[in-house]
Amino acid sequence: KAGVTQTPRYLIKTRGQQVTLSCSPISGHRSVSWYQQTPGQGLQFLFEYFSETQRNKGNFPGRFSGRQFSNSRSEMNVSTLELGDSALYLCASSPQAGEIAEQYFGPGTRLTVT
Amino acid sequence: AQSVTQLGSHVSVSEGALVLLRCNYSSSVPPYLFWYVQYPNQGLQLLLKYTTGATLVKGINGFEAEFKKSETSFHLTKPSAHMSDAAEYFCAVRPSGSARQLTFGSGTQLTVLP
Repeated sequence: KAGVTQTPRYLIKTRGQQVTLSCSPISGHRSVSWYQQTPGQGLQFLFEYFSETQRNKGNFPGRFSGRQFSNSRSEMNVSTLELGDSALYLCASSPQAGEIAEQYFGPGTRLTVT
Repeated sequence: AQSVTQLGSHVSVSEGALVLLRCNYSSSVPPYLFWYVQYPNQGLQLLLKYTTGATLVKGINGFEAEFKKSETSFHLTKPSAHMSDAAEYFCAVRPSGSARQLTFGSGTQLTVLP
């Protein structure tokens, strides 16, 4: 099976712009989670989607939003970009079944805000 | 709220020496525990996980970890370090239940010296 794919891998944006990142989970996986990784704050949970519904949300401002499509692909959007939004954004997918099902991470999208 | 503390942001070992990376967690109920590894410019790869049952967990690449409830610890070990083990290692905790949200430690950068 192909792994989790994220596009684009690298992105440079200017303050004030908005950005959309895409994540395609492993085939058959219906749960998608997003994480932000920065040198200062480490790895922080953004949100989780399951069957097109946001199931859980981390402590991030409303500028960060996401959605999931019927094919389980997910997008996250960041509006009004700030310099502090520069980070590696990681997507992880998980199978539907099994409470203890593990998460499989993609390679991430490196966002640089200038 | 759950939290994870990784003692030592940088650990150096000689090739062939024991690797010991420390992780302590804080949780009101026994959580699920994970160790992930991250190589430069890559996503996270699961090394091992503890859910229930045997407290000594074996993972990939010769790593293992022991869940000690009395010490709220989940330290990662490997008997003999290899140059290819040089990477950043993250301990993570997840509540039992359906939510997939992971809370990560701040990470430990492992350097393997020749």
